Amino acid sequence: ETGVTQTPRHLVMGMTNKKSLKCEQHLGHNAMYWYKQSAKKPLELMFVYNFKEQTENNSVPSRFSPECPNSSHLFLHLHTLQPEDSALYLCASSQELAFRYGYTFGSGTRLTVV
Amino acid sequence: RKEVEQDPGPFNVPEGATVAFNCTYSNSASQSFFWYRQDCRKEPKLLMSVYSSGNEDGRFTAQLNRASQYISLLIRDSKLSDSATYLCVVNGRSQGNLIFGKGTKLSVKP
Repeated sequence: ETGVTQTPRHLVMGMTNKKSLKCEQHLGHNAMYWYKQSAKKPLELMFVYNFKEQTENNSVPSRFSPECPNSSHLFLHLHTLQPEDSALYLCASSQELAFRYGYTFGSGTRLTVV
Repeated sequence: RKEVEQDPGPFNVPEGATVAFNCTYSNSASQSFFWYRQDCRKEPKLLMSVYSSGNEDGRFTAQLNRASQYISLLIRDSKLSDSATYLCVVNGRSQGNLIFGKGTKLSVKP
């Protein structure tokens, strides 16, 4: 496996369900990110982790809970979501906090909340 | 003023055409600038970084004007495979935060 891998690729969940999104990077990067992409909106930063420590929470509702056990893995735990949370959730990583090199994105998880 | 603004398009051009995209950003302290490409229902992929002196990568040329807070991307000799959405990206005020524009959609026709 190379690059940034996200699972699952698609997820349909009810508003009372609990699910988790998984991201793994094989690039030796130190920083990882969760972004949300909704239709007709720009990508929105959700969380930033640098060397497994959370450095940014961009006012994300508590129904989204990130976890970063090490620099290669990132999870997004979901519970009691709303239909408006349906979106493409993208994980990204970078060598260091992104200023010089940009991000490498995973393929994303397309989430539908019913 | 939005942090990163782009003309949404769509730009519909014939093969072989030259097309230019523009982007403005609001944070005068920004130091890092990128163009990403996103194909339909796929993840964004880094196309090129944008350097102060301007830079070129094959048919693609990026320019930065710090005084006007303006970035451009020029694509020469457009190919069908260039059809995608092009995202202008600028670093935000906090460390590690990249701000994405909504993107400009390009459609290259035969």
